[in-house]
Amino acid sequence: LAKTTQPISMDSYEGQEVNITCSHNNIATNDYITWYQQFPSQGPRFIIQGYKTKVTNEVASLFIPADRKSSTLSLPRVSLSDTAVYYCLVGARADSSYKLIFGSGTRLLVRP
Amino acid sequence: GAVVSQHPSWVICKSGTSVKIECRSLDFQATTMFWYRQFPKQSLMLMATSNEGSKATYEQGVEKDKFLINHASLTLSTLTVTSAHPEDSSFYICSARGVQPQHFGDGTRLSIL
Repeated sequence: LAKTTQPISMDSYEGQEVNITCSHNNIATNDYITWYQQFPSQGPRFIIQGYKTKVTNEVASLFIPADRKSSTLSLPRVSLSDTAVYYCLVGARADSSYKLIFGSGTRLLVRP
Repeated sequence: GAVVSQHPSWVICKSGTSVKIECRSLDFQATTMFWYRQFPKQSLMLMATSNEGSKATYEQGVEKDKFLINHASLTLSTLTVTSAHPEDSSFYICSARGVQPQHFGDGTRLSIL
């Protein structure tokens, strides 16, 4: 199973762009990269998923270089409500039984 | 809206009680569901994989007789914490994957007195 490494914590201010980078050196050919957000006492919430290059949705962008050994979650213009823990996971998208293993995540604090 | 529903959201009970937590996939069928446990300030730890119509697969160190899993239908998995003790107090989260991505329930806060 691919292991991921993220910064333990990050600080930012409202209105800034936040980029969280995740390292996954052992990613397999059929692995996808998925990011989740978790607030206290809630389950993780899906943010974005990608395989290569760039993916963008209404809340975030995901940048994946050609070697796919890392990925960067970009949150534009963060607000206080974006304070949460962000998890990067890798796994085989097509395999319904593939186990998602969580790393330590990145605790993002957004200040006024 | 939520695609994975978990019930109850929190429960407080006396030591020695057995507690059942339900996890339902709301608008898709899930042959596989996952159960996680999370202690304060820590990440989610996978406990077991629930397989519809067959036995669950437990991660190393998780007692299968302590945490009974039943996946009787394609939309329902249950986790029963048997003879719960204070050290079983934790946040339990289920997850299911139909079409991608994998979705998570909102968790069950279990407090054993």
